[in-house]
Amino acid sequence: QVTLRESGPALVKPTQTLTLTCTFSGFSLSTSGMCVSWIRQPPGKALEWLALIDWDDDKYYSTSLKTRLTISKDTSKNQVVLTMTNMDPVDTATYYCARILLQGGLDYWGQGTLVTVSS
Amino acid sequence: EIVLTQSPATLSLSPGERATLSCRASQSVSSYLAWYQQKPGQAPRLLIYDASNRATGIPARFSGSGSGTDFTLTISSLEPEDFAVYYCQQRSNWSALTFGGGTKVEIK
Repeated sequence: QVTLRESGPALVKPTQTLTLTCTFSGFSLSTSGMCVSWIRQPPGKALEWLALIDWDDDKYYSTSLKTRLTISKDTSKNQVVLTMTNMDPVDTATYYCARILLQGGLDYWGQGTLVTVSS
Repeated sequence: EIVLTQSPATLSLSPGERATLSCRASQSVSSYLAWYQQKPGQAPRLLIYDASNRATGIPARFSGSGSGTDFTLTISSLEPEDFAVYYCQQRSNWSALTFGGGTKVEIK
């Protein structure tokens, strides 16, 4: 079955770089039509899409955050990595990774990881 | 960037009632719209994709309709487990996916 799991630090300091890893199973990111996306959700607020990487290694980013984000994949390890630079307290949120098909929605999600930005 | 506006922000209903949630896009997204349900402390769950297709395992009481800029999620008869927050999301433009602000369906 398809599973995804986010991992990374629970606490980062302002100005630091956040690195999150999504480790997945049950599908291959080298299969045509497969994509993985990152989404975040500040406490009590709405979902915000961050980035997406597809089977062909094409990458897409949120317009408002693209200068700070980098997404990459390691197909052999079934991992997708997101880095976000210059972290700020407003970036405190639960960060999710999810699978998205070329035709369809975000059909499988990780449990999310809470990242707090504080000195 | 395509903006999705959901209304109402909160819907107060009783179990057994019909719920109608709206999602309006700032420009056409064709049929590339999905709906998600989120309960406290949980990840979102895909309900509907491509405007009207139920995801695997989703009960028939959930239905989606619309195209272009106006979309509706209908829950025909609310069950106790349906009280949650619902989000719409568009994928018309791969370079900028977006979510709506959410509608909370609460028990009246």
